Formats: sequence, C-alpha cells, structure tokens
Amino acid sequence: DQQVKQNSPSLSVQEGRISILNCDYTNSMFDYFLWYKKYPAEGPTFLISISSIKDKNEDGRFTVFLNKSAKHLSLHIVPSQPGDSAVYFCAAKSGGYQKVTFGTGTKLQVIP
Amino acid sequence: KAGVTQTPRYLIKTRGQQVTLSCSPISGHRSVSWYQQTPGQGLQFLFEYFSETQRNKGNFPGRFSGRQFSNSRSEMNVSTLELGDSALYLCASTDTSGANVLTFGAGSRLTVL
Repeated sequence: DQQVKQNSPSLSVQEGRISILNCDYTNSMFDYFLWYKKYPAEGPTFLISISSIKDKNEDGRFTVFLNKSAKHLSLHIVPSQPGDSAVYFCAAKSGGYQKVTFGTGTKLQVIP
Repeated sequence: KAGVTQTPRYLIKTRGQQVTLSCSPISGHRSVSWYQQTPGQGLQFLFEYFSETQRNKGNFPGRFSGRQFSNSRSEMNVSTLELGDSALYLCASTDTSGANVLTFGAGSRLTVL
C-alpha cells in the first residue's frame, strides 16, 4: 500500500521556467511533509518541509504547497536551473514517530 | 560536523550469504533509521533505532535485522541473501528536535549475484 504517491516518474523543464513536482498521500494521520533531492551516488538531502497547519512554505526558489482536503502537495522550483536536475522524493510522517514514508520519486531534468 | 558515514559503499555477495552494513550517525544524533532503495519502489522503511532500542519497524522479512550500540552507531544485517535484496541501503540520523529532518548517508550499494 503506497501511502505516498508520486505519479510522474520523470519531468523535463527548460532552464529558467517553473518546475512543478506533485505528490499525493492517502494517510490522513500524516501531519508533516518533506521534500528531498537526490543526486546519483549520494544520499537524499533535505530540501524543504511543511507542517499540516500551513498551506505554503517558501525557501528561496523553492515553494511547497499543501492542500489537505485533496491530500496533495506540490513543490515549485522557480526559476529552474540545470543544477536542480536530480530525483525528488516526497515524504510524510505523523506525530512524533520517526517512520518517514517516502514516495517513489520524480526525476527532474532541467534543460539548458 | 561530520555527516552520516556508511560502510562499505559497495559490496557484492552471492545468494545465501549474509551481509552486515554499518552506519555512524552525526555526532549527537540518537535516532538512526534504515531505508532500502530499489528502482521504482522509492525508499522503503526498514527500521528505526533510538538509544539502542528498535522503535519502529517496516514490512520486511525477519532476514533483515539491525542493532544500535551505546555510541549510537548502528548496523543492519541481511541473512540468506536473495537476488531481490540488491539495492541501495541508506542510513539516516536525526536529532529528534522539532523538525525531525532525516540526514542521510551516501548509502551502501549491495549487489547479490
């Protein structure tokens, strides 16, 4: 049972344009959401997070939007840069539990 | 501050063998989690240790086990290896403060032949 779903395995975007990565979840107990970025041969690195009490969180070029009623979150990258090319994982957790549930990832390619 | 260190980085085993992977968390981090990454499956949670106790466990068979030492270093073991165990095994540590962000190591790439 995939509780966190990233339905787009890949995405290609021109440099300078907006990249939108989507994520859906099914577990209504999730109350904290994170995005991680992963380059080949490296571990995932934390990018941005959002609590369920918010609907938007912004950090520089990265913005995460949360729609609780739709159980959907998205990551916006503006403007996209070639160095953003990586696999992006959406993740979620509930309460104080350390078990973080990850999606299957979306491979973003930013074309110069 | 040194990051999360995993050893070995790469290893090749044959079916039926067993393997032990090691993880040294960031200094001061007491929670260590293990994940398995395979193509198309994302990161699958294996287990989480805190103060030498397993607090959470994923849906993996008993062939997968782990432990944590008093210095927070952790090991995971896979016995009777199967071809399907070929994967990247990732360790992550947290400081258990409010954000609870996982900091990952570079992983151990296991190939089972």
